[in-house]
Amino acid sequence: QQQVKQSPQSLIVQKGGISIINCAYENTAFDYFPWYQQFPGKGPALLIAIRPDVSEKKEGRFTISFNKSAKQFSLHIMDSQPGDSATYFCAAIPDTGRRALTFGSGTRLQVQP
Amino acid sequence: NAGVTQTPKFRILKIGQSMTLQCAQDMNHNYMYWYRQDPGMGLKLIYYSVGAGITDKGEVPNGYNVSRSTTEDFPLRLELAAPSQTSVYFCASSYSVQGARGGYTFGSGTRLTVV
Repeated sequence: QQQVKQSPQSLIVQKGGISIINCAYENTAFDYFPWYQQFPGKGPALLIAIRPDVSEKKEGRFTISFNKSAKQFSLHIMDSQPGDSATYFCAAIPDTGRRALTFGSGTRLQVQP
Repeated sequence: NAGVTQTPKFRILKIGQSMTLQCAQDMNHNYMYWYRQDPGMGLKLIYYSVGAGITDKGEVPNGYNVSRSTTEDFPLRLELAAPSQTSVYFCASSYSVQGARGGYTFGSGTRLTVV
């Protein structure tokens, strides 16, 4: 019930294209869904986050779409740039029980110039 | 501010040896976490702490121990190292339980190899 499933494992996008990463969860107690970005040799850093009471959140070129009934959420990166090349993790945390983020398995994004 | 500081950055252990991974934060965060990162597996929670003197098991606690005697420090102890513990270990801290305010702040990681 703690699992968050993420796809694809890797993604190659041309500069200027749209990158889409998907996540699904089972635990209905999850009530906060952040995305983290990790560059090689560094720890992950918060990119953007959403709560289940909204269906979409946008910050610059990054958008989270959230479908509560399907228990799915996704990250869209518009106008992808080579500097966006990194590993992206979705995550979730419940409002009860284990009070720590459960992470997806990660997506390695490569944006080709 | 230094943020979250992890030491050492790299370490090679022999099977059966023990070691402590150090983690310190200077942001006065109550919440601290240890994760391990294996290729293609994401980050798995080992232990976490909601404040000094309080620790709790995560998803993969076997073979590890932690203590939280101060707000700043959260060391991770490996007893009787095994090859399965070869991984990159990340310590993190947060201001709030969900990390909503600023997110989790991660250290730069400790790459551990057990041979």
